Amino acid sequence: GQQLNQSPQSMFIQEGEDVSMNCTSSSIFNTWLWYKQDPGEGPVLLIALYKAGELTSNGRLTAQFGITRKDSFLNISASIPSDVGIYFCAGHRGNTPLVFGKGTRLSVIA
Amino acid sequence: DADVTQTPRNRITKTGKRIMLECSQTKGHDRMYWYRQDPGLGLRLIYYSFDVKDINKGEISDGYSVSRQAQAKFSLSLESAIPNQTALYFCATTAGDRGGYTFGSGTRLTVV
Repeated sequence: GQQLNQSPQSMFIQEGEDVSMNCTSSSIFNTWLWYKQDPGEGPVLLIALYKAGELTSNGRLTAQFGITRKDSFLNISASIPSDVGIYFCAGHRGNTPLVFGKGTRLSVIA
Repeated sequence: DADVTQTPRNRITKTGKRIMLECSQTKGHDRMYWYRQDPGLGLRLIYYSFDVKDINKGEISDGYSVSRQAQAKFSLSLESAIPNQTALYFCATTAGDRGGYTFGSGTRLTVV
């Protein structure tokens, strides 16, 4: 079964607020990835992390690869309506296919 | 044109029917995947292929089969569709073992 625990499952926030979501695992991962899925579309890669402790930004998004290699978080600053969607964490262990979290559904109230 | 194209986008089929979902990619990647998405369950791996002669079962392969017809094409079949196979199906591709995947836009399948 799935090995990534993603939280929260859903969030309702006001426009302009910051958002934080995270992913944990009982296993070590070599790569952590964060995806966003818009309604009716496939997931799109936001940020990829390759080293423990790595902190990477993409515009208003910031993600970190946990030191233990068993967790990662994604922050979104100053949320806007187009941030609405489902955010997924995903990880690689060795040469195995990506494992996905169950997703965080973000709603932004204008 | 999209990097990963899935057809059909939507399909309604009856219980017991055989159905094929098709995927083609223009990225030139060797690795291709089929995932299933259900509300609240995220994306679960059905089958994957690292090259034309390679087929591997994923987490939830029962009731499904695949065919890798060429580097660019990877199709998913439901031999005898059942209602609990109603879901959103995604095809994806990647170049290597640490990169992100490029996903298609999905096929919404309803089995009645």
